[in-house]
Amino acid sequence: GDSVTQMEGPVTLSEEAFLTINCTYTATGYPSLFWYVQYPGEGLQLLLKATKADDKGSNKGFEATYRKETTSFHLEKGSVQVSDSAVYFCALSALGDGYNKLIFGAGTRLAVHP
Amino acid sequence: EAQVTQNPRYLITVTGKKLTVTCSQNMNHEYMSWYRQDPGLGLRQIYYSMNVEVTDKGDVPEGYKVSRKEKRNFPLILESPSPNQTSLYFCASSFRQALGGYTFGSGTRLTVV
Repeated sequence: GDSVTQMEGPVTLSEEAFLTINCTYTATGYPSLFWYVQYPGEGLQLLLKATKADDKGSNKGFEATYRKETTSFHLEKGSVQVSDSAVYFCALSALGDGYNKLIFGAGTRLAVHP
Repeated sequence: EAQVTQNPRYLITVTGKKLTVTCSQNMNHEYMSWYRQDPGLGLRQIYYSMNVEVTDKGDVPEGYKVSRKEKRNFPLILESPSPNQTSLYFCASSFRQALGGYTFGSGTRLTVV
């Protein structure tokens, strides 16, 4: 079945460091891909998305490119801030029974230190 | 403000005592879903609903019930909670095709002792 695999955390970085969180997926068909962010004590918020191959999603300095050839959707940011500390979830949207079901990876915790 | 509202935020209960977690959305979304979040497992779908009076099992439905009598509400019912249902629960909603992703509630942290 469809699945998402994320790099294990935690990822610990100093402020202004470069961030990469790896995400690969397995899916039949052509899913949409998402990154969600969960700040402490809050629900998940959509960070960015891409709906077809070679699309680049971007928001708040984060970027991810839909790579069909490598079935990947890695999250990157050029210079992280302490306020980026959160759990990041990669997800794909799989078609089933007339609706799109979101399938999530296990999440990657990011801790950014001053 | 467009939102998904869950209540309560925190709940501690004893094994076997029936409880209900409420979920309400004000965006006229057709689709609603419940997830549980456990360390190392990400989010797993419990139940979902594609519209009023239409519900179906997700990946981990055992021990849970849902109902969808109104479009805006989708309560999660635990008839006889057990300690392995201790978890963080999220309600989410979207329009049917979910191309823009889901809107999530703030979560309910449930502890069953």
